[in-house]
Amino acid sequence: GENVEQHPSTLSVQEGDSAVIKCTYSDSASNYFPWYKQELGKRPQLIIDIRSNVGEKKDQRIAVTLNKTAKHFSLHITETQPEDSAVYFCAASHQGAQKLVFGQGTRLTINP
Amino acid sequence: GAGVSQTPSNKVTEKGKYVELRCDPISGHTALYWYRQSLGQGPEFLIYFQGTGAADDSGLPNDRFFAVRPEGSVSTLKIQRTERGDSAVYLCASSLSNSGNTMYFGEGSWLTVV
Repeated sequence: GENVEQHPSTLSVQEGDSAVIKCTYSDSASNYFPWYKQELGKRPQLIIDIRSNVGEKKDQRIAVTLNKTAKHFSLHITETQPEDSAVYFCAASHQGAQKLVFGQGTRLTINP
Repeated sequence: GAGVSQTPSNKVTEKGKYVELRCDPISGHTALYWYRQSLGQGPEFLIYFQGTGAADDSGLPNDRFFAVRPEGSVSTLKIQRTERGDSAVYLCASSLSNSGNTMYFGEGSWLTVV
């Protein structure tokens, strides 16, 4: 089955700097890669997703890149703000399986 | 409703007791998922419903766990003979099956077995 590895487990950056979180996946049939943000005690919330027919997607300060050959995808947050502090999860799935397999999460801290 | 609703938000139960957790998905969403999240971990898949039927229950850890969705809307996750290791947040999510795999999560039910 699918296995998703996420790095780093914790990340601390200065406000205004960029943050990058990376994930690798094992199942070459995976074709959908969402990123979720989870604040303490809250639900995971979808912030951006990408499908395997594109290599990059951007939404304001957030972007995701996908390298299907290497089976890895990354989340990029630019001009970080204190409210970006949270745990971020990557995930992967393919149409046949429907279910998402999540990474272990990255705790992002933005230092003012 | 506007989002996925889960009840109870918190449940403390004694070891060996029976527990039911309820999920009310977004109206019109035919796909419903249950995940379990332990502290410091990512959500772990338990079971997926498409309509009334369990399309994939491969994540249920053992036969003490069971879930139903009799009318294709509300789902109940049932845990028998609870153990301390069952303590976790149980997350429900739903999606429109014809929009790919975009899933929307509820706030979760925090289960503590003492």
